[in-house]
Amino acid sequence: SQQGEEDPQALSIQEGENATMNCSYKTSINNLQWYRQNSGRGLVHLILIRSNEREKHSGRLRVTLDTSKKSSSLLITASRAADTASYFCATDPEGNQFYFGTGTSLTVIP
Amino acid sequence: DGGITQSPKYLFRKEGQNVTLSCEQNLNHDAMYWYRQDPGQGLRLIYYSQIVNDFQKGDIAEGYSVSREKKESFPLTVTSAQKNPTAFYLCASSIRVLRDSINEQFFGPGTRLTVL
Repeated sequence: SQQGEEDPQALSIQEGENATMNCSYKTSINNLQWYRQNSGRGLVHLILIRSNEREKHSGRLRVTLDTSKKSSSLLITASRAADTASYFCATDPEGNQFYFGTGTSLTVIP
Repeated sequence: DGGITQSPKYLFRKEGQNVTLSCEQNLNHDAMYWYRQDPGQGLRLIYYSQIVNDFQKGDIAEGYSVSREKKESFPLTVTSAQKNPTAFYLCASSIRVLRDSINEQFFGPGTRLTVL
């Protein structure tokens, strides 16, 4: 399987702290994307990073990509209770379909 | 949930029955996808379609069928051949997939199917 793996599987932090989650994948990619899923809902796209980029920012989100290690990290700064959700990475190694990881479940305690 | 609708939200089916899940998008996207999500797991691709009247199997196509007669619609039929159909089903769409293009996916709200 080319599916990515997120780490940790679950993360619980206090509001205001930073949350870091990691994604590892198996094959070369065109880009890597992070998605968020609130319980029982569809996924929402957060950020995309291309294979030739090393870091990208969007608001309180910071994504890094290390293609030599086939890994990416998502940092959420100054977390809020509303950030509580599952976070997935997705890759498209062949350019025609996505492979999603198993997700990190983030709980932000008010 | 960005211009993609799925219906119904909850669906109950008796064993041995076929059931069709609806997915409609008004984003003018060429590509559409069906995923299955089981508790504590990621999304697994069932079928995808890059253009009308064409579709390809994903990783877990057995027991499922699709059609793509219109650009806006990509219904999924869960047949009686699917041995463990109880799951959360997500439909998504994206702009035409070209190599190295940006292909963010937009997801519908999902349909939770329970087999009784």
